[in-house]
Amino acid sequence: AQTVTQSQPEMSVQEAETVTLSCTYDTSESDYYLFWYKQPPSRQMILVIRQEAYKQQNATENRFSVNFQKAAKSFSLKISDSQLGDAAMYFCAYRSVGDDKIIFGKGTRLHILP
Amino acid sequence: NAGVTQTPKFRILKIGQSMTLQCTQDMNHNYMYWYRQDPGMGLKLIYYSVGAGITDKGEVPNGYNVSRSTTEDFPLRLELAAPSQTSVYFCASSHRNLPEAFFGQGTRLTVV
Repeated sequence: AQTVTQSQPEMSVQEAETVTLSCTYDTSESDYYLFWYKQPPSRQMILVIRQEAYKQQNATENRFSVNFQKAAKSFSLKISDSQLGDAAMYFCAYRSVGDDKIIFGKGTRLHILP
Repeated sequence: NAGVTQTPKFRILKIGQSMTLQCTQDMNHNYMYWYRQDPGMGLKLIYYSVGAGITDKGEVPNGYNVSRSTTEDFPLRLELAAPSQTSVYFCASSHRNLPEAFFGQGTRLTVV
């Protein structure tokens, strides 16, 4: 069975600095998707970024980028120029192509220090 | 465009009571999901559906039931509520051509 592991329950970063959140996953599939979701205090789940496993290029969305290492089964999220609004719980998630289920990690709570 | 709508947003139940969490989506998505979120445990899949009339168990289905009579609606039924069902419940949906899920606002349920 596929699993997603986020080893950092909490992290803190100074405003305007860069922070990297870690995620590893376990799968025997070769074709899949990986996601980072943000959950602010409002509780709403917001898609931050998506990566297709067949793409070698790392996905980027403005200040958010990923480091996708397929062989190592690693999918980290880098947030540049951290802002107070980035404070949230961040979830890493996995979905195999052709599978119906999306599997989530336990989350990393990110604090932004002013 | 409303997206995924869940009702209610908050609810307190007494042990042994039953209730239905409502979920509807207006994006014509094929797939719908119910997750529960407990502190430090991430999101765990309760049930999911790939289309009207088709449902399947997820990781933690015990104590819950679902139905999918239309593409838009996917209600979650709690029978004989127990304190272990105190949680935040999320409904989500996705399209067969897009892998990411879109989430409702969540329902905070407390069983006392």
